[in-house]
Amino acid sequence: AQTVTQSQPEMSVQEAETVTLSCTYDTSESDYYLFWYKQPPSRQMILVIRQEAYKQQNATENRFSVNFQKAAKSFSLKISDSQLGDAAMYFCAYRSAYGSARQLTFGSGTQLTVLP
Amino acid sequence: GAVVSQHPSRVICKSGTSVKIECRSLDFQATTMFWYRQFPKQSLMLMATSNEGSKATYEQGVEKDKFLINHASLTLSTLTVTSAHPEDSSFYICSATATSNTEAFFGQGTRLTVV
Repeated sequence: AQTVTQSQPEMSVQEAETVTLSCTYDTSESDYYLFWYKQPPSRQMILVIRQEAYKQQNATENRFSVNFQKAAKSFSLKISDSQLGDAAMYFCAYRSAYGSARQLTFGSGTQLTVLP
Repeated sequence: GAVVSQHPSRVICKSGTSVKIECRSLDFQATTMFWYRQFPKQSLMLMATSNEGSKATYEQGVEKDKFLINHASLTLSTLTVTSAHPEDSSFYICSATATSNTEAFFGQGTRLTVV
């Protein structure tokens, strides 16, 4: 079974600064998908960024980028120019690329606070 | 992106009654829907996976007679909490995927309070 570990329960960053959230995972599969989801106080889950394991290039979405290290099974999220609206719980998630199963395995989450 | 609508967003019910939560995919056909439970400041815990037209697959430790899941069409899945008790109070979230999608789309969640 796959596991996802987020070792930082809480992080804080100054507005306009950069912060990196850590995520490691364990799997024996070679093809899979990794995601970062954001859950603001409204509790709506919002997809931030997605990475396919077979792609070596790190995914980027505007101020959000990942550092995907497949051999190390690491998938960190970098938020640049942090904004107050980035404050939320961030979850790292894994999904197998095999078979019909599409369930996500989530990490325990990192609560991000953005300081004005 | 695709939209998943979950209803109601908030419900309070008396102990012993049943509550139904609906999850609808508004602009795509959801071949698979997932139901999660989330406790405060914790991660999402998968309760069950449902495929249209077949019985749901429940995760270990989840009572299938307590949490009835129906996925009768490609756009609707329902979770019924039967004979609810205060310990069933929680935040329930659904998500949906289509065959061609790699990502899951989430409903807004339902806060259930059993008094």
